[in-house]
Amino acid sequence: DTAVSQTPKYLVTQMGNDKSIKCEQNLGHDTMYWYKQDSKKFLKIMFSYNNKELIINETVPNRFSPKSPDKAHLNLHINSLELGDSAVYFCASSQAGEGRANVLTFGAGSRLTVL
Amino acid sequence: GESVGLHLPTLSVQEGDNSIINCAYSNSASDYFIWYKQESGKGPQFIIDIRSNMDKRQGQRVTVLLNKTVKHLSLQIAATQPGDSAVYFCAVVPRNKFYFGSGTKLNVKP
Repeated sequence: DTAVSQTPKYLVTQMGNDKSIKCEQNLGHDTMYWYKQDSKKFLKIMFSYNNKELIINETVPNRFSPKSPDKAHLNLHINSLELGDSAVYFCASSQAGEGRANVLTFGAGSRLTVL
Repeated sequence: GESVGLHLPTLSVQEGDNSIINCAYSNSASDYFIWYKQESGKGPQFIIDIRSNMDKRQGQRVTVLLNKTVKHLSLQIAATQPGDSAVYFCAVVPRNKFYFGSGTKLNVKP
C-alpha cells in the first residue's frame, strides 16, 4: 500500500487553465504539506495543514488554493495556470509526537507542465 | 528564517569508494536534521536523522555528522554502490518547520 499517493503523476495543460492535484495519506498522520520542486531540484514549502487547519502558507500566489476535506487528504487547486507554474509538486505528511521524530513522508510527485 | 546550502552540486565517485556530502545551515536554533535521498522520478525518502544533542549517528552504510560550532552537517556513505546514485538533500528542522538544501547529485561510476 502506498503511504502517500498523489494523482495525477503527470499533467500537461495550457496556460490559463485550472487544474487540481489530489493527495491522500494512509499513515494516520495529522499534518500534510505541499512542496514545489523546480528544475534545479530546490524544494520549497507551499502549504501545511494540521487536522484540516491551515498552519503554513508561504508566499504563494492566491491562484493556488489548498483544500483539506479531512486529515487524510490535501488537494491543491491551481487557477489560471502560468508557464512558471511548471514544476514537480510533492505532497508529504508527518506526525510529530512526544519522543517521536517529525519525519516527512513524501509522495511520488506530480509533474505539471504548462504550455 | 533558515538558509541551507551545499558545498557541491554534483559529486562523482567510483563504485566501492566512500562518499561525503556536505551541508551548511545558518540558524543555530535548529534542533533536528534529516538527510533525504531522491531517486529519479520519485519523491525524497528518509535516510537518517540526528538531533542537536548528538554529533554522530550511524545507520546501515550511512553516517551523519553534525558540527554545531560551524553549523555543518555531512552524510557519509560507505562503499558506494550504483543504487546510491540520486540527489541527496539535507533538511534542517527548527521548531517543526522543514527547510531543505538545494541538493547534491551523486553519480556512482562503475
